Amino acid sequence: AQTVTQSQPEMSVQEAETVTLSCTYDTSESDYYLFWYKQPPSRQMILVIRQEAYKQQNATENRFSVNFQKAAKSFSLKISDSQLGDAAMYFCAYRVGGNKLVFGAGTILRVKS
Amino acid sequence: GAVVSQHPSWVICKSGTSVKIECRSLDFQATTMFWYRQFPKQSLMLMATSNEGSKATYEQGVEKDKFLINHASLTLSTLTVTSAHPEDSSFYICSARPGDREGNTIYFGEGSWLTVV
Repeated sequence: AQTVTQSQPEMSVQEAETVTLSCTYDTSESDYYLFWYKQPPSRQMILVIRQEAYKQQNATENRFSVNFQKAAKSFSLKISDSQLGDAAMYFCAYRVGGNKLVFGAGTILRVKS
Repeated sequence: GAVVSQHPSWVICKSGTSVKIECRSLDFQATTMFWYRQFPKQSLMLMATSNEGSKATYEQGVEKDKFLINHASLTLSTLTVTSAHPEDSSFYICSARPGDREGNTIYFGEGSWLTVV
């Protein structure tokens, strides 16, 4: 069974600084998708970034980038120039094909002004 | 971007009654929709996967007779909580995948708060 592990229940970062959220996963598949979702207090799930496992290049979306290490089954999220609006629960998720998303336990990110 | 809408956002019902939550894909056709439940400060737990025109696939431990899922059209899936009890109070979220392409991004609804009194 596929599992996703987020080992950091909570993280804090100073505004304008950089923070990295960790995620590891377990799978026997070779082709899959990885995602980071953000859930602010409104509870709306917002897609932050996605990575296809067959792509070696790390995905980047503005201030958000990932460090995808396929052999190590690691998929960390780096947030640069943190802003107050980045404060939220962040979920790492895994998916094979069109199947269901498997979520990690989540990391609460607090941004200090 | 693609929009998924849930209704109602908040619902309070009496114990023993049934309540229906709708999930609509507003600007795309969704052959597959997913229903999740989320407890406070916890992750999303998949309840079931619904495919248009066929029976839903429930996750282990989810009572299919209690949580009825219908996916009658390519833009609408409904979750009915039957004979609701206070322990069913939770946040329910749906998500939908456009079309049949496996790589398509899954989009989430805004979620629905259910309180059973």
